[in-house]
Parts: sequence; C-alpha cells; structure tokens
Amino acid sequence: AQKITQTQPGMFVQEKEAVTLDCTYDTSDQSYGLFWYKQPSSGEMIFLIYQGSYDEQNATEGRYSLNFQKARKSANLVISASQLGDSAMYFCAMREGRNSGGSNYKLTFGKGTLLTVNP
Amino acid sequence: NAGVTQTPKFRILKIGQSMTLQCTQDMNHNYMYWYRQDPGMGLKLIYYSVGAGITDKGEVPNGYNVSRSTTEDFPLRLELAAPSQTSVYFCASSYRPIGGRSTDTQYFGPGTRLTVL
Repeated sequence: AQKITQTQPGMFVQEKEAVTLDCTYDTSDQSYGLFWYKQPSSGEMIFLIYQGSYDEQNATEGRYSLNFQKARKSANLVISASQLGDSAMYFCAMREGRNSGGSNYKLTFGKGTLLTVNP
Repeated sequence: NAGVTQTPKFRILKIGQSMTLQCTQDMNHNYMYWYRQDPGMGLKLIYYSVGAGITDKGEVPNGYNVSRSTTEDFPLRLELAAPSQTSVYFCASSYRPIGGRSTDTQYFGPGTRLTVL
C-alpha cells in the first residue's frame, strides 16, 4: 500500500482564487510529521509547511495552510489567493516516528500534483 | 548562508563510467540525505548519514556509495554507471537534536541532473 497518496495528477486554478491539493497518508505510528514541498519547473525542492501529528492546530505559513484531519489521515494543502508563480509541482511527504525503525530517517513522498495557475 | 549546494548541475556519463556528486551544507545540520527523483515520481532515499563517519542505506542504495568525513560534506559516488541511474539527484540536510524534538525539516539542494548513455 502506498504511504502517501496524492490523487490529483493535475489541478487548475484562476489567479487570486484558493486551491486545495489533496494528500492522504498511511502509517501506524502515533508520532509522525507531514510536509509539503514545491518544485517549480527550475527543479529545486522548496519546503513550504510542516504539520506534526501531535499538533492540535492546523499549520499556517503565509498563504499556505494545512488542513490536517488526523482521523481521516489527510493533510491537504490550501493555497489562498493563488499567484502565477504558484504554478509548480507540489509534493506531500511524511516522516514516520522513531518506532518505525529505519523509516524514521527518510521522507516518503507522494507522486505529486501539478498546479497550473491561469491568469 | 548558502544552504545546501550541489555540483555539478548537469552531467552526461557513458555506461560504465564513474563519478562523484558533491554536496555541501553550511547550516551545521547533523543529518544528510541523498535522494533520486525519476520522471513523474516523488523522491526515493538512496543513502543517509546521521553524523560524520556514520552512513546507512536507504531504499535504493545499489550502485552507489557514500562517505561522510565532515559535518558539511556528503558526496555520492556512482560506480559503473548504468542507464537505470539516469535521474535527478537531490542532497538534503536536517537538524535533529540528540534526545530532543524538532520538526526535522529537510532542506534540499538544487539537484544534479544525470544522464547515462
């Protein structure tokens, strides 16, 4: 079973509108971290936002927020007021807890969602 | 503060050649990682290091070697390059305090695009 599932290969949004990128995860650990990264066409991986499994509040970073629903094992990224520069591939990733053995050192990535912002 | 730097940015190798991908970080992070990204996919961990002198295999280590002689540097060695190693390679680093808690956010270098022909 995939540990990180991003069901939207591509998404389109109009400039200035909000968009939600979906991410579901699978882990039996109680302690884990969820991350979103942005990869523009230039190729670099840019860290956007982090949510810890014990964090009670949804994480926010500027125009980015993470809609964390622990019972549903979802960690959707919400981008408000989209800009043309938001057009990129977005990856959801998980770092599992220390009880997962070797897995707790790596990030497990989803396959990504390609976001296109239209003017 | 340059963060994580990687060299070269691009490289073309012939089958059977060897090369070293360089990675340096100036954030005094104790953990470093090498990932590869194949077309249309997320990243997969090749090797990681929890500190100078300590390295371990990730998901896809075959055909690669690493060393970590200093905190700052974590080179990745490809021996006997094969077409299956055509990929984009990312180095990353993070800080994990001993006995403490942190987000352990991994920060990535710009990547090396490698083609093996």
